[in-house]
Amino acid sequence: NAGVTQTPKFRILKIGQSMTLQCTQDMNHNYMYWYRQDPGMGLKLIYYSVGAGITDKGEVPNGYNVSRSTTEDFPLRLELAAPSQTSVYFCASSYNQGGVQEKLFFGSGTQLSVL
Amino acid sequence: GQNIDQPTEMTATEGAIVQINCTYQTSGFNGLFWYQQHAGEAPTFLSYNVLDGLEEKGRFSSFLSRSKGYSYLLLKELQMKDSASYLCAVRDAGGYNKLIFGAGTRLAVHP
Repeated sequence: NAGVTQTPKFRILKIGQSMTLQCTQDMNHNYMYWYRQDPGMGLKLIYYSVGAGITDKGEVPNGYNVSRSTTEDFPLRLELAAPSQTSVYFCASSYNQGGVQEKLFFGSGTQLSVL
Repeated sequence: GQNIDQPTEMTATEGAIVQINCTYQTSGFNGLFWYQQHAGEAPTFLSYNVLDGLEEKGRFSSFLSRSKGYSYLLLKELQMKDSASYLCAVRDAGGYNKLIFGAGTRLAVHP
């Protein structure tokens, strides 16, 4: 099993550019998440999804969009990149049954710089 | 409000024992996780507590007191490879059981 796979690992964007961070998982997890991690800060939730076709905002959703057309894939879209979006992005997944969420499995992360 | 506090940095000696504390104030509580994160890597799961008491898993143990809003992670027989950040995360009891992460404690193990 590959687990949670994120691409790309590194990316430099110019202000105003757009890009999509890809995330796929092969564990048949129903929940998927996007977090960002700034230096010295905890992980902040951007968006999450409880299943295919269902997404919702987390703590810091502004400037991002997501979709969940399949159980496996949960891409994160940045439409107009800003320097404030320079961060490390982690995709994660978990299995939630009966309201009980199990531990998160994380992808390897994407280091994004907006200049 | 929601707040999770951990020390920013700790140092310890190889072979020693270290305790990393975490205090939390959240609107609800449905469990507490500890994750390990090596520099430049993704967090990986270490432990989970939902009831008061000590959970032991090899060299690592985690303790929870819900009444005090307090947890600690105990690392025994420290090894150099234990140098990493340790993240405390509380699962909120709200709509989708979201995890709220602390900023992490950076542990440096010296020979």
